Amino acid sequence: QVHLVQSGAEVKKPGASVKVSCKTSTYTFTGNYIHWVRQAPGQGLEWMGWINPNSGGTNYAPNFQGRVTMTRDTSISTAYMELSRLTSDDTAIYYCTKVRHSGSSSLFDYWGQGTLVTVSS
Amino acid sequence: AIQMTQSPSSLSASVGDRVTITCRASQGIRNDLGWYQQKPGKAPSLLIYAVSSLQIGVPSRFSGSGSGTDFTLSISSLQPEDFATYYCLQDYSYPWTFGQGTTVRI
Repeated sequence: QVHLVQSGAEVKKPGASVKVSCKTSTYTFTGNYIHWVRQAPGQGLEWMGWINPNSGGTNYAPNFQGRVTMTRDTSISTAYMELSRLTSDDTAIYYCTKVRHSGSSSLFDYWGQGTLVTVSS
Repeated sequence: AIQMTQSPSSLSASVGDRVTITCRASQGIRNDLGWYQQKPGKAPSLLIYAVSSLQIGVPSRFSGSGSGTDFTLSISSLQPEDFATYYCLQDYSYPWTFGQGTTVRI
């Protein structure tokens, strides 16, 4: 069974940065992109971007360009998402999710449990 | 960015009812559309991908249809465990975008 296990909840002050980890197991880490999705309290899902664990290449949503950095450590099969210059609007649950391809379609077949990031002064 | 408009935003239904949720894209997205279910306090889970392909393990009462810009998720006979929020997601072009969600309530 594939597992994506995320780091624990964080509380940050406005202007700070947060780095969330996503440790994967039971599949070839470099074989599937990892995407990040967030969900503000009581709100819907928002796609943030992806990282190719094989090459380290990334693609970020315009809403997060310049503030988000996705990285990985292949030696421990772990992906990271760092978000800087935090504001209260960044208070949300952050999910990592593994993508699988079927033909031209992509789908999120496994998800981490989510990491709550609270931004408060 | 492609906008995904889901309707309704919420609905009330009873066990055994047939439920239909629609998702409209602001431009054509071929068949690059999936549906996800989210229960309170849980991560989303995949129901359907490529418009109509059922994810392994998902009950056959769930089905998807549509093409181009208009898509539908149907639940043929609502079960107690189906009360949740449902999201569509287009993976046709970046940035990928979700619909705003449809909450199915008792």
